[in-house]
Amino acid sequence: DAKTTQPNSMESNEEEPVHLPCNHSTISGTDYIHWYRQLPSQGPEYVIHGLTSNVNNRMASLAIAEDRKSSTLILHRATLRDAAVYYCILLRYNFNKFYFGSGTKLNVKP
Amino acid sequence: DTGVSQDPRHKITKRGQNVTFRCDPISEHNRLYWYRQTLGQGPEFLTYFQNEAQLEKSRLLSDRFSAERPKGSFSTLEIQRTEQGDSAMYLCASSTGRSYEQYFGPGTRLTVT
Repeated sequence: DAKTTQPNSMESNEEEPVHLPCNHSTISGTDYIHWYRQLPSQGPEYVIHGLTSNVNNRMASLAIAEDRKSSTLILHRATLRDAAVYYCILLRYNFNKFYFGSGTKLNVKP
Repeated sequence: DTGVSQDPRHKITKRGQNVTFRCDPISEHNRLYWYRQTLGQGPEFLTYFQNEAQLEKSRLLSDRFSAERPKGSFSTLEIQRTEQGDSAMYLCASSTGRSYEQYFGPGTRLTVT
């Protein structure tokens, strides 16, 4: 199973952008890059996913390197509610099980 | 949208007892997943159902664990002869066949004393 590497923790100020990096050097051509986040005392929730092109949705943006060996989740204006553990996950096409790593714990300072 | 629900939310049991957890997925979702999460770690995949068929089981799922999804609706996860190492959060998720997005429930926290 393809592995992802993320920093253990990051800190951000409220209202500022946050860039959460993820390395996935063993990614294969059919692996989708997914991001989930887990707020305290809750189950994980979907944030965004992509294959090759950069993606935007109402929650975040996903920037994927040209060689696909790394990606960055971008929160454009962090709020206190964005304090969570963010997981970068590779999902092979037609496979269904996610392998979560330890994720990045994001702390947002007021 | 009622979301994925799990019952109970918390369970304290003595070592050696059997426990059963229930998961009710989002009604139109045909795929259902169980994960286990220990403190400070990400969720670990346990098993996956498509409708009533259990299609995949992790090596983490020992013989003491069994999961069912009768009629392809709700699912149960049973742990027999619980051990202290079974203490964890047990998460359920569901999805449709058209999207890889999984919707997670709030989890059942198991404490084995």
